[in-house]
Amino acid sequence: QITLKESGPTLVKPTQTLTLTCTFSGFSLNTRGVGVGWVRQPPGKAPEWLALIYWDDDKRYSPSLKTRLTITKDTTRNQVVLIMTNMDPVDTGTYYCGHRPKYSSGWLDPWGQGTLVTVSS
Amino acid sequence: DTQMTQSPSSLSASVGDRVTITCRASQSVARYLDWYQQKPGRAPNLLIYTASTLQSGVPSRFSGSGSETDFTLTISSLQPEDSATYYCQQTFSVPYTFGQGTKLEIE
Repeated sequence: QITLKESGPTLVKPTQTLTLTCTFSGFSLNTRGVGVGWVRQPPGKAPEWLALIYWDDDKRYSPSLKTRLTITKDTTRNQVVLIMTNMDPVDTGTYYCGHRPKYSSGWLDPWGQGTLVTVSS
Repeated sequence: DTQMTQSPSSLSASVGDRVTITCRASQSVARYLDWYQQKPGRAPNLLIYTASTLQSGVPSRFSGSGSETDFTLTISSLQPEDSATYYCQQTFSVPYTFGQGTKLEIE
């Protein structure tokens, strides 16, 4: 059974850096084709795709956020970390990580439960 | 970026009804179109990928079709537990954009 869980601060101040950790089980990020992605969802709005990291350390970022995002993996700890710099109140939302199967075109399944991040002074 | 537009934004239907939700892409996404169901306070749940492939464990009353720019999600016989918001997502090109969602309520 594949599970993922997001962790990190629930409140950050504007201009601060957000660091989120996705801890997963039931699969290995050493397996060819597998990846972990991040998606966020502002309250009451549609999801927004952020980033994806593959088993071979290849990375993809949303172009509009690329300068602010860094995604890394630690296969020994079964974790993926997303760093977002210069946080703003518009970045408030629930942040999800998800499993990308090796046969996926990019869709994620399953997702973690999500973690709500509020950006406020 | 590829813009995804869903219609309708919301709808209300009765148990047993056939329901169709459409998703239109601003440019061709081939068949790289996926559908998610999201219930309040929960993460999105994958229903269909690559336009028409039913994810394991998803009831067969859900089906998808389409290609290039026009896609549909159909629920053949609506059940009470289908009350949710449905999102399409294209996974043809980064960024993998979502539609704005369709909120489905049961009458």
